[in-house]
Amino acid sequence: KNQVEQSPQSLIILEGKNCTLQCNYTVSPFSNLRWYKQDTGRGPVSLTIMTFSENTKSNGRYTATLDADTKQSSLHITASQLSDSASYICVVRSDYKLSFGAGTTVTVRA
Amino acid sequence: DAGVTQSPTHLIKTRGQQVTLRCSPKSGHDTVSWYQQALGQGPQFIFQYYEEEERQRGNFPDRFSGHQFPNYSSELNVNALLLGDSALYLCASSGGLAGLNYEQYFGPGTRLTVT
Repeated sequence: KNQVEQSPQSLIILEGKNCTLQCNYTVSPFSNLRWYKQDTGRGPVSLTIMTFSENTKSNGRYTATLDADTKQSSLHITASQLSDSASYICVVRSDYKLSFGAGTTVTVRA
Repeated sequence: DAGVTQSPTHLIKTRGQQVTLRCSPKSGHDTVSWYQQALGQGPQFIFQYYEEEERQRGNFPDRFSGHQFPNYSSELNVNALLLGDSALYLCASSGGLAGLNYEQYFGPGTRLTVT
């Protein structure tokens, strides 16, 4: 069983709308959690990183939250744009090991 | 300052053949990690090289091997290709093993198709 589970697997939203992606993990011990954006056929690009003591981190229209007690994180996209269409991957680090989620594919339609 | 570069961009091979993929890390980085990403899946860790040695390895067979050169660039070799080896192969570089918050920078990947 994957130690990092993401939901939903995919979603479609209209341009200008908001959406929230979920990431639940069982990785232990916890070092940090990153959200990556991966455009089709390209390498992932880091959006945010959060350590144990951080609850919220923003990067433009992307806001990530972390609840280390329940081992849950979310990525909120505000006022979506067509360029937000991509796969969003949650990555949890434990010491020197990285555990990747399968990603959520977001499609933004005009 | 060039980021992580990979070559080739795309590759088509036949079952049983061997393939070599190449990666140049971001300037100033000395650690290279390789990942396999099947369509619709998250990246799966293959192995990591630091100081020209394999430091960590994921759950991949010995058909997958690698090398790191003195200039920190790296190669991924896959022998006896199987259809299931078709995937996007990502290289990521970072600035050393130390530090819990080090960031990995990913290259654009090499799309390998095995027919």
